[in-house]
Amino acid sequence: SAVISQKPSRDICQRGTSLTIQCQVDSQVTMMFWYRQQPGQSLTLIATANQGSEATYESGFVIDKFPISRPNLTFSTLTVSNMSPEDSSIYLCSVEGQHTEAFFGQGTRLTVV
Amino acid sequence: AQSVTQLDSQVPVFEEAPVELRCNYSSSVSVYLFWYVQYPNQGLQLLLKYLSGSTLVKGINGFEAEFNKSQTSFHLRKPSVHISDTAEYFCAVKETSGSRLTFGEGTQLTVNP
Repeated sequence: SAVISQKPSRDICQRGTSLTIQCQVDSQVTMMFWYRQQPGQSLTLIATANQGSEATYESGFVIDKFPISRPNLTFSTLTVSNMSPEDSSIYLCSVEGQHTEAFFGQGTRLTVV
Repeated sequence: AQSVTQLDSQVPVFEEAPVELRCNYSSSVSVYLFWYVQYPNQGLQLLLKYLSGSTLVKGINGFEAEFNKSQTSFHLRKPSVHISDTAEYFCAVKETSGSRLTFGEGTQLTVNP
């Protein structure tokens, strides 16, 4: 199994500002995934991050709003830009395990005021 | 494209009672199936998975699920629940040839004394 560390675990931010979330994995992985979980809802995939290439975004998510970096095989960042209260969510980092299952970080609980 | 429907948004049960959380999926190709649990203020933890072989799969914490291809279902069961099983449960599907995980809307299981 993979151990995933996310920072920060929670934050309260002012609207119009940006927050960068970090995701560190204890082993090298090809793909890393970023999800959003809005209050009381399920997980929605934001983008898939591959090392050495641009992230692939899902419908409804754009790079200008959610820029992603993937500098190496164990680390990725997701930035939530120009935040509004609608961005208040849990953001989760995930990787694929050896047997196709997904492992998740503890999540970043973001509140935008 | 694949989709997942969790038929019950909330399931209240008494301690030591049996429980079944229902999940139906839709896909035009072969899939892998998963159940995840999310305890309050935590990330997602894998309960069990179906990849191939026996249609009855056993997971952690006494949970099991049965894959029914003809009914495209993957219901989660536990014969006797504990207070500590109170959590949100998510069913998820992934095409065998892909990497994208699609989640259901979640079922809140509440175990009452």
